[in-house]
Amino acid sequence: AQKITQTQPGMFVQEKEAVTLDCTYDTSDQSYGLFWYKQPSSGEMIFLIYQGSYDEQNATEGRYSLNFQKARKSANLVISASQLGDSAMYFCAMREGNTGGFKTIFGAGTRLFVKA
Amino acid sequence: DAMVIQNPRYQVTQFGKPVTLSCSQTLNHNVMYWYQQKSSQAPKLLFHYYDKDFNNEADTPDNFQSRRPNTSFCFLDIRSPGLGDAAMYLCATSRGGTSVSNEQFFGPGTRLTVL
Repeated sequence: AQKITQTQPGMFVQEKEAVTLDCTYDTSDQSYGLFWYKQPSSGEMIFLIYQGSYDEQNATEGRYSLNFQKARKSANLVISASQLGDSAMYFCAMREGNTGGFKTIFGAGTRLFVKA
Repeated sequence: DAMVIQNPRYQVTQFGKPVTLSCSQTLNHNVMYWYQQKSSQAPKLLFHYYDKDFNNEADTPDNFQSRRPNTSFCFLDIRSPGLGDAAMYLCATSRGGTSVSNEQFFGPGTRLTVL
């Protein structure tokens, strides 16, 4: 079974609007961390935001927020006020506390296109 | 600024000709990773080091080897590149310890072309 599922291969959003990128995960660990990374066409993976499984508040970092619904095992990324520079590939990832060691598991990614 | 550096950024090699990719870090992180990423796919973990301890993924071909002579440097050796090995190779680091909050810091990647 997939550990991280991103069901949207591609998404379009109008500049200045908000967009939600979906991510669901599967783990039996109680302790885990969820990450979102951005990968522009240049190739470098850029860390955006982190949510711990025990965190009660949804994580926010500037224009990025993570809509964490633990019971549904979802960790959707919300980008507010989209900018042209947000066009990139976005990966949801998970690090498991008990069984994962030092590995990070990545989803297949969502390619975001921001339209002017 | 502390960072992860990969050299070269672009590497062209011939089918079967050994190639070495390098990664260095100034973050003093315990863990270093090598990923292979093909176009529009998720990064695929090849192996990682915790300090000197080497951890190979079960499905990493024997054609791929790695060395970590010290904390700062890690190398990826492809002994006999095939056309299927053409990809972006990403190096990443993270702090040691078992905290799930340890995010990975990535280098800019090396894009490998095999002719």
